[in-house]
Amino acid sequence: ETGVTQSPTHLIKTRGQQVTLRCSSQSGHNTVSWYQQALGQGPQFIFQYYREEENGRGNFPPRFSGLQFPNYSSELNVNALELDDSALYLCASSSGTGINEKLFFGSGTQLSVL
Amino acid sequence: AQSVAQPEDQVNVAEGNPLTVKCTYSVSGNPYLFWYVQYPNRGLQFLLKYITGDNLVKGSYGFEAEFNKSQTSFHLKKPSALVSDSALYFCAVRDKSDSNYQLIWGAGTKLIIKP
Repeated sequence: ETGVTQSPTHLIKTRGQQVTLRCSSQSGHNTVSWYQQALGQGPQFIFQYYREEENGRGNFPPRFSGLQFPNYSSELNVNALELDDSALYLCASSSGTGINEKLFFGSGTQLSVL
Repeated sequence: AQSVAQPEDQVNVAEGNPLTVKCTYSVSGNPYLFWYVQYPNRGLQFLLKYITGDNLVKGSYGFEAEFNKSQTSFHLKKPSALVSDSALYFCAVRDKSDSNYQLIWGAGTKLIIKP
Protein backbone atom coordinates (compact mmCIF):
# COMPACT_ATOMS: atom_id res chain seq x y z
CA GLU A 1 0.00 0.00 0.00
CA THR A 2 1.12 3.55 -0.75
CA GLY A 3 -0.07 5.36 2.36
CA VAL A 4 -2.32 7.65 0.31
CA THR A 5 -5.92 7.41 1.45
CA GLN A 6 -9.01 8.75 -0.28
CA SER A 7 -12.54 9.18 0.99
CA PRO A 8 -15.21 8.29 0.31
CA THR A 9 -14.59 5.20 -1.81
CA HIS A 10 -17.91 5.52 -3.61
CA LEU A 11 -20.33 8.39 -4.04
CA ILE A 12 -23.61 8.90 -5.86
CA LYS A 13 -24.79 12.41 -6.70
CA THR A 14 -27.38 13.96 -8.96
CA ARG A 15 -26.76 16.42 -11.75
CA GLY A 16 -26.30 19.99 -10.52
CA GLN A 17 -25.12 19.02 -7.06
CA GLN A 18 -21.72 19.75 -5.56
CA VAL A 19 -19.23 17.19 -4.27
CA THR A 20 -16.06 17.21 -2.15
CA LEU A 21 -13.50 14.44 -2.34
CA ARG A 22 -10.70 14.08 0.19
CA CYS A 23 -7.15 12.82 0.09
CA SER A 24 -4.51 12.25 2.74
CA SER A 25 -1.02 12.23 1.28
CA GLN A 26 1.78 9.89 2.18
CA SER A 27 3.84 10.98 5.16
CA GLY A 28 6.59 13.38 4.12
CA HIS A 29 4.98 14.30 0.80
CA ASN A 30 4.18 17.96 0.15
CA THR A 31 2.70 17.69 -3.35
CA VAL A 32 -0.72 16.37 -4.29
CA SER A 33 -2.17 15.95 -7.75
CA TRP A 34 -5.66 14.91 -8.82
CA TYR A 35 -6.70 12.87 -11.83
CA GLN A 36 -10.00 11.90 -13.44
CA GLN A 37 -10.16 8.40 -14.93
CA ALA A 38 -13.20 7.64 -17.04
CA LEU A 39 -14.12 4.02 -17.66
CA GLY A 40 -11.73 2.39 -20.11
CA GLN A 41 -9.46 5.40 -20.34
CA GLY A 42 -6.22 6.62 -18.87
CA PRO A 43 -6.14 9.21 -16.09
CA GLN A 44 -6.46 12.88 -17.02
CA PHE A 45 -4.60 15.50 -15.00
CA ILE A 46 -6.90 17.93 -13.19
CA PHE A 47 -4.45 19.98 -11.10
CA GLN A 48 -1.54 19.85 -8.70
CA TYR A 49 -0.93 21.52 -5.34
CA TYR A 50 2.46 22.21 -3.80
CA ARG A 51 2.66 23.62 -0.28
CA GLU A 52 -0.96 24.80 -0.38
CA GLU A 53 -0.70 26.55 -3.74
CA GLU A 54 -2.01 25.32 -7.10
CA ASN A 55 1.03 25.11 -9.37
CA GLY A 56 -0.36 23.23 -12.35
CA ARG A 57 -3.70 22.66 -14.02
CA GLY A 58 -5.02 20.53 -16.85
CA ASN A 59 -7.89 21.25 -19.22
CA PHE A 60 -10.70 21.22 -16.69
CA PRO A 61 -13.26 24.01 -16.18
CA PRO A 62 -13.20 26.28 -13.11
CA ARG A 63 -16.01 24.32 -11.46
CA PHE A 64 -13.24 21.85 -10.60
CA SER A 65 -11.38 23.42 -7.70
CA GLY A 66 -9.16 22.26 -4.91
CA LEU A 67 -7.46 22.98 -1.65
CA GLN A 68 -4.36 21.78 0.09
CA PHE A 69 -4.06 22.09 3.85
CA PRO A 70 -1.00 22.74 6.06
CA ASN A 71 -0.72 19.00 6.74
CA TYR A 72 -0.63 18.53 2.92
CA SER A 73 -3.95 16.70 2.76
CA SER A 74 -6.16 17.89 -0.07
CA GLU A 75 -9.71 18.29 -1.30
CA LEU A 76 -11.17 18.23 -4.78
CA ASN A 77 -14.42 20.15 -5.17
CA VAL A 78 -16.69 19.85 -8.17
CA ASN A 79 -19.63 22.22 -8.56
CA ALA A 80 -22.67 21.91 -10.82
CA LEU A 81 -22.10 18.22 -11.45
CA GLU A 82 -22.67 16.92 -14.96
CA LEU A 83 -23.32 13.36 -16.09
CA ASP A 84 -19.89 13.27 -17.76
CA ASP A 85 -18.25 13.86 -14.39
CA SER A 86 -18.97 10.23 -13.54
CA ALA A 87 -15.52 8.68 -13.18
CA LEU A 88 -12.86 7.38 -10.82
CA TYR A 89 -11.05 10.28 -9.17
CA LEU A 90 -7.50 9.53 -8.19
CA CYS A 91 -5.26 11.43 -5.84
CA ALA A 92 -1.50 11.09 -5.94
CA SER A 93 1.20 12.43 -3.67
CA SER A 94 4.88 13.02 -4.20
CA SER A 95 7.78 14.81 -2.58
CA GLY A 96 8.86 18.10 -4.11
CA THR A 97 7.74 19.65 -7.35
CA GLY A 98 10.30 17.85 -9.45
CA ILE A 99 8.79 17.07 -12.78
CA ASN A 100 10.40 13.65 -12.66
CA GLU A 101 8.93 12.60 -9.34
CA LYS A 102 7.23 9.26 -9.07
CA LEU A 103 3.66 9.39 -7.86
CA PHE A 104 2.02 7.41 -5.08
CA PHE A 105 -1.68 6.89 -5.77
CA GLY A 106 -4.67 6.28 -3.57
CA SER A 107 -7.31 3.73 -4.53
CA GLY A 108 -9.64 6.43 -5.76
CA THR A 109 -13.19 7.66 -5.28
CA GLN A 110 -15.78 6.29 -7.70
CA LEU A 111 -18.23 9.11 -8.44
CA SER A 112 -21.53 8.39 -10.15
CA VAL A 113 -23.65 11.32 -11.31
CA LEU A 114 -27.29 10.48 -12.05
CA ALA B 1 0.33 18.85 -28.29
CA GLN B 2 1.59 16.15 -25.97
CA SER B 3 0.17 12.66 -26.40
CA VAL B 4 0.76 9.02 -25.57
CA ALA B 5 -0.37 6.06 -27.64
CA GLN B 6 -0.68 2.49 -26.45
CA PRO B 7 -1.65 0.77 -29.69
CA GLU B 8 -2.82 -2.50 -28.15
CA ASP B 9 -5.93 -2.62 -25.98
CA GLN B 10 -4.98 -6.11 -24.84
CA VAL B 11 -1.89 -8.32 -24.92
CA ASN B 12 -2.08 -12.07 -24.31
CA VAL B 13 1.03 -13.98 -23.31
CA ALA B 14 1.64 -17.51 -22.06
CA GLU B 15 3.27 -17.82 -18.66
CA GLY B 16 7.04 -18.06 -18.96
CA ASN B 17 7.17 -16.30 -22.33
CA PRO B 18 8.62 -12.81 -22.82
CA LEU B 19 6.16 -9.94 -22.91
CA THR B 20 6.16 -6.50 -24.52
CA VAL B 21 3.66 -3.72 -23.97
CA LYS B 22 4.06 -0.93 -26.50
CA CYS B 23 4.07 2.82 -25.95
CA THR B 24 4.82 5.73 -28.26
CA TYR B 25 4.74 9.38 -27.30
CA SER B 26 4.76 12.89 -28.69
CA VAL B 27 6.09 15.92 -26.81
CA SER B 28 7.50 19.22 -28.01
CA GLY B 29 10.57 19.02 -25.78
CA ASN B 30 12.45 16.20 -24.09
CA PRO B 31 10.38 13.60 -22.26
CA TYR B 32 10.22 12.10 -18.86
CA LEU B 33 8.58 8.69 -19.32
CA PHE B 34 6.81 6.46 -16.85
CA TRP B 35 5.08 3.10 -16.59
CA TYR B 36 2.41 2.40 -13.99
CA VAL B 37 0.36 -0.72 -13.30
CA GLN B 38 -3.23 -0.86 -12.06
CA TYR B 39 -4.61 -3.95 -10.37
CA PRO B 40 -8.39 -4.40 -9.96
CA ASN B 41 -9.88 -2.18 -7.25
CA ARG B 42 -6.49 -0.68 -6.45
CA GLY B 43 -4.72 2.54 -7.30
CA LEU B 44 -1.94 2.94 -9.80
CA GLN B 45 1.49 1.68 -8.81
CA PHE B 46 4.78 3.00 -10.15
CA LEU B 47 6.89 0.52 -12.14
CA LEU B 48 9.74 2.52 -13.63
CA LYS B 49 10.77 5.82 -15.19
CA TYR B 50 13.16 7.23 -17.73
CA ILE B 51 14.69 10.58 -16.91
CA THR B 52 18.04 10.65 -18.63
CA GLY B 53 21.06 8.46 -19.25
CA ASP B 54 20.94 4.76 -20.05
CA ASN B 55 18.15 3.99 -22.50
CA LEU B 56 17.37 0.69 -20.76
CA VAL B 57 15.58 1.25 -17.48
CA LYS B 58 14.97 -1.47 -14.92
CA GLY B 59 12.03 -1.32 -12.57
CA SER B 60 9.88 -3.22 -10.12
CA TYR B 61 8.82 -6.89 -10.41
CA GLY B 62 11.44 -7.68 -13.08
CA PHE B 63 10.08 -5.20 -15.62
CA GLU B 64 12.27 -3.06 -17.84
CA ALA B 65 11.68 -0.52 -20.58
CA GLU B 66 13.74 0.78 -23.44
CA PHE B 67 13.71 4.43 -24.44
CA ASN B 68 14.12 4.93 -28.18
CA LYS B 69 14.35 8.60 -29.07
CA SER B 70 14.32 8.15 -32.84
CA GLN B 71 11.17 6.05 -32.71
CA THR B 72 9.69 8.05 -29.81
CA SER B 73 8.92 4.80 -28.05
CA PHE B 74 9.15 3.46 -24.52
CA HIS B 75 8.10 -0.18 -24.66
CA LEU B 76 7.69 -2.18 -21.45
CA LYS B 77 9.27 -5.63 -21.37
CA LYS B 78 9.77 -8.64 -19.15
CA PRO B 79 11.81 -11.73 -20.06
CA SER B 80 9.48 -14.27 -18.44
CA ALA B 81 5.83 -13.50 -17.69
CA LEU B 82 4.02 -14.54 -14.52
CA VAL B 83 0.27 -15.05 -14.12
CA SER B 84 0.43 -12.40 -11.38
CA ASP B 85 1.58 -9.84 -13.98
CA SER B 86 -1.97 -9.79 -15.34
CA ALA B 87 -3.17 -6.20 -14.87
CA LEU B 88 -3.76 -2.91 -16.66
CA TYR B 89 -0.59 -1.08 -17.69
CA PHE B 90 -0.33 2.64 -18.36
CA CYS B 91 2.42 4.61 -20.06
CA ALA B 92 2.73 8.31 -19.21
CA VAL B 93 4.89 11.22 -20.35
CA ARG B 94 5.87 14.65 -19.08
CA ASP B 95 7.56 17.30 -21.19
CA LYS B 96 10.67 18.48 -19.36
CA SER B 97 9.89 22.07 -20.34
CA ASP B 98 6.26 21.97 -19.18
CA SER B 99 5.89 24.26 -16.20
CA ASN B 100 2.37 22.98 -15.67
CA TYR B 101 3.62 19.61 -14.32
CA GLN B 102 1.04 17.87 -16.47
CA LEU B 103 1.42 14.10 -16.82
CA ILE B 104 -0.15 12.76 -20.02
CA TRP B 105 -1.37 9.17 -19.93
CA GLY B 106 -2.08 6.52 -22.51
CA ALA B 107 -5.40 4.69 -22.55
CA GLY B 108 -3.88 1.58 -21.01
CA THR B 109 -3.13 -1.96 -22.15
CA LYS B 110 -4.70 -4.96 -20.49
CA LEU B 111 -2.10 -7.67 -20.04
CA ILE B 112 -3.38 -11.22 -19.68
CA ILE B 113 -0.94 -13.96 -18.76
CA LYS B 114 -2.29 -17.46 -19.31
CA PRO B 115 -0.99 -20.43 -17.29
